Amino acid sequence: EVQLVESGGGLVQPGVSLRLSCVASGFTFTSYSMNWLRQAPGKGLEWVSYISTDSSDIYYSDSVKGRFTISRDNAKNSLYLQMNSLRDDDTAVFYCAPNTRDGYNSFDYWGQGTLVTVSS
Amino acid sequence: QSALTQPPSASGSPGQSVTISCTGTSSDVGGYNYVSWYQQHPGKAPKLMIYEVSERPSGVPDRFSGSKSGNTASLTVSGLQAEDEADYYCSSYAGSNKFVLFGGGTKLTVL
Repeated sequence: EVQLVESGGGLVQPGVSLRLSCVASGFTFTSYSMNWLRQAPGKGLEWVSYISTDSSDIYYSDSVKGRFTISRDNAKNSLYLQMNSLRDDDTAVFYCAPNTRDGYNSFDYWGQGTLVTVSS
Repeated sequence: QSALTQPPSASGSPGQSVTISCTGTSSDVGGYNYVSWYQQHPGKAPKLMIYEVSERPSGVPDRFSGSKSGNTASLTVSGLQAEDEADYYCSSYAGSNKFVLFGGGTKLTVL
């Protein structure tokens, strides 16, 4: 059974940093590219970042480019999102999801998410 | 404002059909056959309903179908059931520039 467990969220003030983690199990982590997505309270889904299996290809949404850094540790079956210079509009539930199909935008598996609240 | 445009709401009575549109550009929806649709019930994680425009993952009822014409993709739910009431989001691959885009979501109400 595929399991994705996100952690690291919390309440932080604007401008600070936070690091999210996602531990994957139930599939061969090293064979799948990974993504972070988010959903602000009461709002829609937003793709945040993508990382290929060997970390050679990385993409970010315009809204986080230059502030967030995605990384992975294949030895630990783990995905990370380093978030710097957090803003109020970064408040959201963050999900990790593997690319299990062609096309980069089809996500069969989602974790339970971790809530990041940015507020003074 | 979301990159892909969806109507904020849609509705239908049980047994009826409803179609939700998702409009993008030639750089995303119109340029690739990589449109996906997600269903999300309150408090739950999204569920993949359609991928690659019209393909259904295993376990998704064939009442759900997808199509695309030009820069607009559509999700049709036939034979509406009460449990279909949820938010629906479209998504498209958008090339290496924008990568993955989502629509703003459509709240489907079963009357």
